[in-house]
Amino acid sequence: DAGVIQSPRHEVTEMGQEVTLRCKPISGHDYLFWYRQTMMRGLELLIYFNNNVPIDDSGMPEDRFSAKMPNASFSTLKIQPSEPRDSAVYFCASRRTGAYEQYFGPGTRLTVT
Amino acid sequence: GIQVEQSPPDLILQEGANSTLRCNFSDSVNNLQWFHQNPWGQLINLFYIPSGTKQNGRLSATTVATERYSLLYISSSQTTDSGVYFCAVEHDAGGTSYGKLTFGQGTILTVHP
Repeated sequence: DAGVIQSPRHEVTEMGQEVTLRCKPISGHDYLFWYRQTMMRGLELLIYFNNNVPIDDSGMPEDRFSAKMPNASFSTLKIQPSEPRDSAVYFCASRRTGAYEQYFGPGTRLTVT
Repeated sequence: GIQVEQSPPDLILQEGANSTLRCNFSDSVNNLQWFHQNPWGQLINLFYIPSGTKQNGRLSATTVATERYSLLYISSSQTTDSGVYFCAVEHDAGGTSYGKLTFGQGTILTVHP
């Protein structure tokens, strides 16, 4: 079975532009998580979904960030407008109910200039 | 929230050496995972180990939940073991899993040939 799929793998954009990151969870997994990794803050949870419904978005840094999960096999994380401090690696992870292990995608390295 | 501390922050080994990485956490957990982040940035699941001992090849892990720590053992280290090792925990909120993993800051392991 394919793992968690993320796209794009790298994104370079200019300040003020809209950025959309995409994630396809492992088939059959009903939890989806978005994390951000920076040198200063390490790995931090931004938001997670259960059965396509956002459960906890307390980690979303500000209103410029939004996430959606329109169906069980697709989620997006959008930043609008982007700022240089948003530069980080964004990971998507998934798990299924009844199992605790989370499986991570390869990440999207975002650079905002 | 729950606190996770990993030690040592950095570790340099010669190939063939053994090592022990430690993870301390501040509250009861129902989920503890060890991850290896390889030099390409991929987060790879090593163990799901909220309690007890598990072994997988040259790697083993032990969690003593009552004393709130976990240990990751690497024997006969190889250069491919280099990378960052993360411990991540989920606070036990009365038996309900909310899926919120809190990560430690990681141990950076460098294995020289």
